[in-house]
Amino acid sequence: DVKVTQSSRYLVKRTGEKVFLECVQDMDHENMFWYRQDPGLGLRLIYFSYDVKMKEKGDIPEGYSVSREKKERFSLILESASTNQTSMYLCASSFRWGYTFGSGTRLTVV
Amino acid sequence: QQQVKQSPQSLIVQKGGISIINCAYENTAFDYFPWYQQFPGKGPALLIAIRPDVSEKKEGRFTISFNKSAKQFSLHIMDSQPGDSATYFCAASGSGNFNKFYFGSGTKLNVKP
Repeated sequence: DVKVTQSSRYLVKRTGEKVFLECVQDMDHENMFWYRQDPGLGLRLIYFSYDVKMKEKGDIPEGYSVSREKKERFSLILESASTNQTSMYLCASSFRWGYTFGSGTRLTVV
Repeated sequence: QQQVKQSPQSLIVQKGGISIINCAYENTAFDYFPWYQQFPGKGPALLIAIRPDVSEKKEGRFTISFNKSAKQFSLHIMDSQPGDSATYFCAASGSGNFNKFYFGSGTKLNVKP
């Protein structure tokens, strides 16, 4: 069974902290994505990566960065967490006909 | 701007009724239109998808209707069940764009017993 695994289901961090969200896929997919999900706003693309060490900004990259050192792992980094980054974060990897999503990380910044 | 517009934001349907969720898009380069279903505490999962060379696709109680000229597509859930209560997202993608999907804003469906 194919899987996208996000390392944490729930995180609580303090304002100003550097936060790492980790995502691992076991499907050998080229493309990986980070979205945030907020009520009424749907899924908004933060960053995506189409190859190791390659990355592209999505629609809302401000305040975030990413790292992809290995094909199976894609990390989202909040350089200095702020309360407006409290959200559900979803990682996905893609094949031509759709995404496989992880279960999400609910991040609360206090 | 939002590439895919979805309505309604929320929907309440009685058990056994028909649930209908609508989406519209502008980019004529889109050539693949999936729907995702998300239960609380889970990531979205692919439910059903359609390509624009057909006007309808049916899988069990779930049907996608596609209107290429109007640039609209919709999800119909027949004989809706309480277990269908979830958030539904429509999406669209075009070839040659890193498999990037554009998502609608989501519809929260509540099927009452």
